[in-house]
Amino acid sequence: DAGVIQSPRHEVTEMGQEVTLRCKPISGHNSLFWYRQTMMRGLELLIYFNNNVPIDDSGMPEDRFSAKMPNASFSTLKIQPSEPRDSAVYFCASSSSTSGGLTDTQYFGPGTRLTVL
Amino acid sequence: GQQVMQIPQYQHVQEGEDFTTYCNSSTTLSNIQWYKQRPGGHPVFLIQLVKSGEVKKQKRLTFQFGEAKKNSSLHITATQTTDVGTYFCAGWRNSGYALNFGKGTSLLVTP
Repeated sequence: DAGVIQSPRHEVTEMGQEVTLRCKPISGHNSLFWYRQTMMRGLELLIYFNNNVPIDDSGMPEDRFSAKMPNASFSTLKIQPSEPRDSAVYFCASSSSTSGGLTDTQYFGPGTRLTVL
Repeated sequence: GQQVMQIPQYQHVQEGEDFTTYCNSSTTLSNIQWYKQRPGGHPVFLIQLVKSGEVKKQKRLTFQFGEAKKNSSLHITATQTTDVGTYFCAGWRNSGYALNFGKGTSLLVTP
């Protein structure tokens, strides 16, 4: 099992640029989560998909952030335009939901370390 | 909104000493999960507690869920250098979809 795959692993960009983070969940998992981790705020849930449908995006910081899941094996998190305060590690996680997804083990990807200059 | 508080924020122990981290929620949790994150790594699931008063053990790790389902603890007996990392608790609300992570307790073990 390859686990959750994220790309890129590191991204350095300049303020104002568009950033796209990618995630491939574990095959067969039907729930996908995007998290952001910083020293100040810890681990924050940004958005949650179940069966490719966004269920809860209340954690998305603002309109500059958007996430899509066009199919069961791929999701993107886009930041446009990026700002220095977006610098963080972004994790994608997936789970195999039997009860609506909320109590199942989450498997995290290795993360994307984003630096916005 | 619901918050999951974790204490202490940091703990430095000598190898062989015990370690405990505590997790407290302002509201009742349907269940609680614990994760470990090694430095530079990603969170890895350790265990899930569901029942009031539940106690589970994994080798030297003991996990407890409070009777009121508002608090939890992780105790490590005789720490080893391999225990180094940040331990997170994460609670699901009884309603809604948010999994709220605590800020974590960073454990440093020196030989």
